[in-house]
Amino acid sequence: DQQVKQNSPSLSVQEGRISILNCDYTNSMFDYFLWYKKYPAEGPTFLISISSIKDKNEDGRFTVFLNKSAKHLSLHIVPSQPGDSAVYFCAASINYGQNFVFGPGTRLSVLP
Amino acid sequence: EAGVTQFPSHSVIEKGQTVTLRCDPISGHDNLYWYRRVMGKEIKFLLHFVKESKQDESGMPNNRFLAERTGGTYSTLKVQPAELEDSGVYFCASSSRGGNEQFFGPGTRLTVL
Repeated sequence: DQQVKQNSPSLSVQEGRISILNCDYTNSMFDYFLWYKKYPAEGPTFLISISSIKDKNEDGRFTVFLNKSAKHLSLHIVPSQPGDSAVYFCAASINYGQNFVFGPGTRLSVLP
Repeated sequence: EAGVTQFPSHSVIEKGQTVTLRCDPISGHDNLYWYRRVMGKEIKFLLHFVKESKQDESGMPNNRFLAERTGGTYSTLKVQPAELEDSGVYFCASSSRGGNEQFFGPGTRLTVL
């Protein structure tokens, strides 16, 4: 049973527009959430995180929103750039722990 | 500073054979993790070392998998005997003591025929 879900396997966005990647989770014990980006033939790289005491965290073009009551988080990328094309994984942990539970990923394609 | 490295990058073996994957974490990182991604699905946690001790091995699928981290530096993950369903990409990650950001290696793609 998947505890972290990313229901859109792929997403295409025009360069310069906003990309919104969604993630839903089922375990209410999760209190720390992360987004990782993965290019082909490379390992995932950390992008941005948010703890459950916040509802928004921003880092440059990347913003993560957390809605605890809906058990939903989203990653906004604005403006989107072709170099953002990658697979994005949502991950979560309990007690700010180190055992991350990952979603299946969403492949983002930013079209020039 | 060198990142997390994994060897080999690819391994193709026959069912029933043994394969050993190696991970070299970032120097000084106490925490080392193994993950697996099968058939393009989610990345699944296998186990977590703190130095040479296994902190959490709840994700190890069965006793055909053996992970070691002698001396608290590099780690190996042995699969013996390999089965078809073991095919996938095995990632290693490391983090510093108290650090939440895990740095991933490029992965080892294992194909069991």
